Amino acid sequence: DAGVTQSPTHLIKTRGQQVTLRCSPKSGHDTVSWYQQALGQGPQFIFQYYEEEERQRGNFPDRFSGHQFPNYSSELNVNALLLGDSALYLCASSPVGAAGELFFGEGSRLTVL
Amino acid sequence: QQQVKQSPQSLIVQKGGIPIINCAYENTAFDYFPWYQQFPGKGPALLIAIRPDVSEKKEGRFTISFNKSAKQFSLHIMDSQPGDSATYFCAARMSGGGADGLTFGKGTHLIIQP
Repeated sequence: DAGVTQSPTHLIKTRGQQVTLRCSPKSGHDTVSWYQQALGQGPQFIFQYYEEEERQRGNFPDRFSGHQFPNYSSELNVNALLLGDSALYLCASSPVGAAGELFFGEGSRLTVL
Repeated sequence: QQQVKQSPQSLIVQKGGIPIINCAYENTAFDYFPWYQQFPGKGPALLIAIRPDVSEKKEGRFTISFNKSAKQFSLHIMDSQPGDSATYFCAARMSGGGADGLTFGKGTHLIIQP
């Protein structure tokens, strides 16, 4: 049983560019959340998707957007990249009715130069 | 504004000792308090979680103590092993079904010396 898988694992972008990160949830999970983890910090909630809609959003600007597909996989898009967007982006999935029990992927490490 | 304060930032314990990591929160609307373990290069993994209606929960060598009146909770690791060396995060979630994300502490870097 595959866990949460994310791609790419590492990527480097320059300021002003756009990036798309991808996530496949754990089998049987239908809810996907995205978190940003800066170096030496705890993860920060970006948003959560359920039934292809954004349910809740943390304190992140509109440059951060997402999408969930019918197969429950998800994408995180970040536009107009800033140096401060450099971080580990974590995807987490959870099963129906247990949205607090998050299973995290290994993350996508984004470096903005 | 940090809503979950975690301490200490780092901790070194001898093998077999009992490291204790503490967290405090302000928002009484939090109703779910998990602890996550993260190894370098990996995503956080759920260790153990507690709800405010119990004061203690034990799973294997890991124990959460919860003090609702003080708005504090802590993680104890019994018989600690070098393999427990990792970063530990406490977290909290608002009541209401889980749509809100988890609010994490800043983490504790734990080293268990052989």
